[in-house]
Amino acid sequence: GAVVSQHPSWVICKSGTSVKIECRSLDFQATTMFWYRQFPKQSLMLMATSNEGSKATYEQGVEKDKFLINHASLTLSTLTVTSAHPEDSSFYICSVRAGGAQYFGPGTRLTVL
Amino acid sequence: AQSVTQPDIHITVSEGASLELRCNYSYGATPYLFWYVQSPGQGLQLLLKYFSGDTLVQGIKGFEAEFKRSQSSFNLRKPSVHWSDAAEYFCAVVNNDMRFGAGTRLTVKP
Repeated sequence: GAVVSQHPSWVICKSGTSVKIECRSLDFQATTMFWYRQFPKQSLMLMATSNEGSKATYEQGVEKDKFLINHASLTLSTLTVTSAHPEDSSFYICSVRAGGAQYFGPGTRLTVL
Repeated sequence: AQSVTQPDIHITVSEGASLELRCNYSYGATPYLFWYVQSPGQGLQLLLKYFSGDTLVQGIKGFEAEFKRSQSSFNLRKPSVHWSDAAEYFCAVVNNDMRFGAGTRLTVKP
């Protein structure tokens, strides 16, 4: 399978600031990466599909201007939460698809004060 | 509508007992099927997957799952549960993109 890392593993920020989360595919060149959000005791919800060299595809209800995704290389996708608010506090997980399966990063815990 | 259902929110079993976690899907065609495990504060680890062929698939950590087309099910099983198996388990399907069930939390009693 693919090995996926995320940075940072946790972040605390003030309301109104922006936070960038990095997702790296360490051993696989990923033209597509996926971003999920998981609220406590809930399942993962797909936010967007990140495509290398082109615009991300967002799920219905996800604000593209708030959750900026950049997939500048085959091994790196970034998610920037702009003007974060407390309701954006969540666990953000990225994933790459390899060999028909999806492999997940360890997640980033975002807390917005 | 396309959906993935895990009917059991929480299951408690004794260590050494057998385990079955249920998963049902509702899709037009047979999707690719997966089971993942998530420990608290961690990402998801792939336990096993089904694409086609033999309907009984073996995974890591002694888990297996059986695909039953007639029941649109893909239940996860383990013959003898260990305390370290306590975690959240997610069934997932891929049609165009991956969708998850609500998850089943497994508690293991000593």
